[in-house]
Amino acid sequence: EPEVTQTPSHQVTQMGQEVILRCVPISNHLYFYWYRQILGQKVEFLVSFYNNEISEKSEIFDDQFSVERPDGSNFTLKIRSTKLEDSAMYFCASSENGADTQYFGPGTRLTVL
Amino acid sequence: GENVEQHPSTLSVQEGDSAVIKCTYSDSASNYFPWYKQELGKRPQLIIDIRSNVGEKKDQRIAVTLNKTAKHFSLHITETQPEDSAVYFCAASKGGSYIPTFGRGTSLIVHP
Repeated sequence: EPEVTQTPSHQVTQMGQEVILRCVPISNHLYFYWYRQILGQKVEFLVSFYNNEISEKSEIFDDQFSVERPDGSNFTLKIRSTKLEDSAMYFCASSENGADTQYFGPGTRLTVL
Repeated sequence: GENVEQHPSTLSVQEGDSAVIKCTYSDSASNYFPWYKQELGKRPQLIIDIRSNVGEKKDQRIAVTLNKTAKHFSLHITETQPEDSAVYFCAASKGGSYIPTFGRGTSLIVHP
């Protein structure tokens, strides 16, 4: 069964550094999402992406965040200048048509020191 | 925006017992309610979902009920097994968006 994949599984960075988290959605899916989960807390929506543009974003997704689909398979989340509070598990998800089930990737654990 | 409350935060049962997790939502326009299971350190995985035109849905040992009037929905797991131990998240979303708002999660512990 096809799965969403994410790299790296764990990223450690210094405060103020830029990080790029990578995702490969399921190949025939058209809608892509990023979520974050601070340790022990609920999953929070960050942004959704369709047809090469952001379709929705939450208030968490401020100017420090950006998303991109640089080629036909990858979907990336960039955090320009990381803060301590950005430490969390970041999940990518994809769905076939936006109204259907979202499939989550295994997550990238981001640790900001 | 949507607000989803989930109870209890922790649920401890003996193997073979039933487990019930309850959620309420605030936005009457919400019409899609997925439930996710997240094992420790793993990704959330959809286990069952229900849309607002249905009151109940069952898949083997798992069932979900929806009361639109009261704006609450519940997950029922029968004949629990130790491998059911995980954190379960409810979520609610509405058509046109389908961006789920998650509850805070219920840590289910099934004792052998």
